[in-house]
Amino acid sequence: DADVTQTPRNRITKTGKRIMLECSQTKGHDRMYWYRQDPGLGLQLIYYSFDVKDINKGEISDGYSVSRQAQAKFSLSLESAIPNQTALYFCATSDHDTNNEQFFGPGTRLTVL
Amino acid sequence: ILNVEQSPQSLHVQEGDSTNFTCSFPSSNFYALHWYRWETAKSPEALFVMTLNGDEKKKGRISATLNTKEGYSYLYIKGSQPEDSATYLCAMYNDMRFGAGTRLTVKP
Repeated sequence: DADVTQTPRNRITKTGKRIMLECSQTKGHDRMYWYRQDPGLGLQLIYYSFDVKDINKGEISDGYSVSRQAQAKFSLSLESAIPNQTALYFCATSDHDTNNEQFFGPGTRLTVL
Repeated sequence: ILNVEQSPQSLHVQEGDSTNFTCSFPSSNFYALHWYRWETAKSPEALFVMTLNGDEKKKGRISATLNTKEGYSYLYIKGSQPEDSATYLCAMYNDMRFGAGTRLTVKP
């Protein structure tokens, strides 16, 4: 079984819809992250959480919100999706004593029409 | 340098060639630098986590060096193989800022 899972893997939605992407991990890591990837831009950090009661904005948090429901679960919401949020979204985890080495989920491809 | 920059953007080499590429980063407040390998249709996977100036790490035919004073890291691949074809990403620990990556294609 994969250590970091994401659901759904693919989603097509319409402008204005609310979308939730979910991430679960079995690695026992305390830190979790959400990134988006656009062609030619590498990975950009949206939000991160160092433990259940800690939520921090990344470099591109506008238009997104997150919830850390448990140590193993971190969800990303788009309250009102817009076409420029079409991207590949990755969840990642890290442990506090490994210099933030990231372990990535398989990714969710989101298309907003 | 305010951002993490990688060069070249893409690289095409023949099987057996050795190659290298660069990650440049802000040298102030350095804590750690990560290198990741990202194959098409897969997730990025960590190659190295580098923390000390002068660090050199090796994994098989792939090695990396770090210069924190001047703000750069090199990734070397010796005797490239087609299975080395991937995008190689570097990232700063401080705010998990990633470079755009170097896309390597190794032709048989």
